[in-house]
Amino acid sequence: AQSVTQLDSQVPVFEEAPVELRCNYSSSVSVYLFWYVQYPNQGLQLLLKYLSGSTLVKGINGFEAEFNKSQTSFHLRKPSVHISDTAEYFCAVSEEGNKLVFGAGTILRVKS
Amino acid sequence: GAGVSQSPSNKVTEKGKDVELRCDPISGHTALYWYRQSLGQGLEFLIYFQGNSAPDKSGLPSDRFSAERTGGSVSTLTIQRTQQEDSAVYLCASRWIGVTEAFFGQGTRLTVV
Repeated sequence: AQSVTQLDSQVPVFEEAPVELRCNYSSSVSVYLFWYVQYPNQGLQLLLKYLSGSTLVKGINGFEAEFNKSQTSFHLRKPSVHISDTAEYFCAVSEEGNKLVFGAGTILRVKS
Repeated sequence: GAGVSQSPSNKVTEKGKDVELRCDPISGHTALYWYRQSLGQGLEFLIYFQGNSAPDKSGLPSDRFSAERTGGSVSTLTIQRTQQEDSAVYLCASRWIGVTEAFFGQGTRLTVV
């Protein structure tokens, strides 16, 4: 069965510093991978997704993620964060035609 | 509609009462999910409907929880004999079979007092 592990529950970082939010998944078949973001008091919105093709995917707000099949990882990165990036980030995996399973989330706190 | 709609947005209920939460998915989306989001607990999968297939109920925490999806569209999540630990935000998402991202509603915040 598919599962997702987000290795950090909280990540504090100073403004303009780079950040990486880690995500590992387990699945026995090909998967689709997603990062969602939830800003304070708002709903979830898609940040980026990997379906196939290039392993480096770019999303909104300057975020990108790299799919690494051998390490079963899909880490999210941004080279320079802003205060407005403070939010909770969720990694998710879906086997084709199957349910969408989320990790526990990582709270990114950007400090000035 | 333009997005996934959930109602009510907030619900306060007394312990022991039954509640029904409604989800209107995006028109044409064949897959529908319910999740529960508790403070510090991430998104807990509850149930998944896909077209006319039998739903995947593997995430329902107890037999007090049930859900149905009528006509392949609107879904209702029912919680019987609510307990305080049921307090959470219940999120619904829908997805079109040929497109793999899910779109979320704003959620129903359930408070059991």
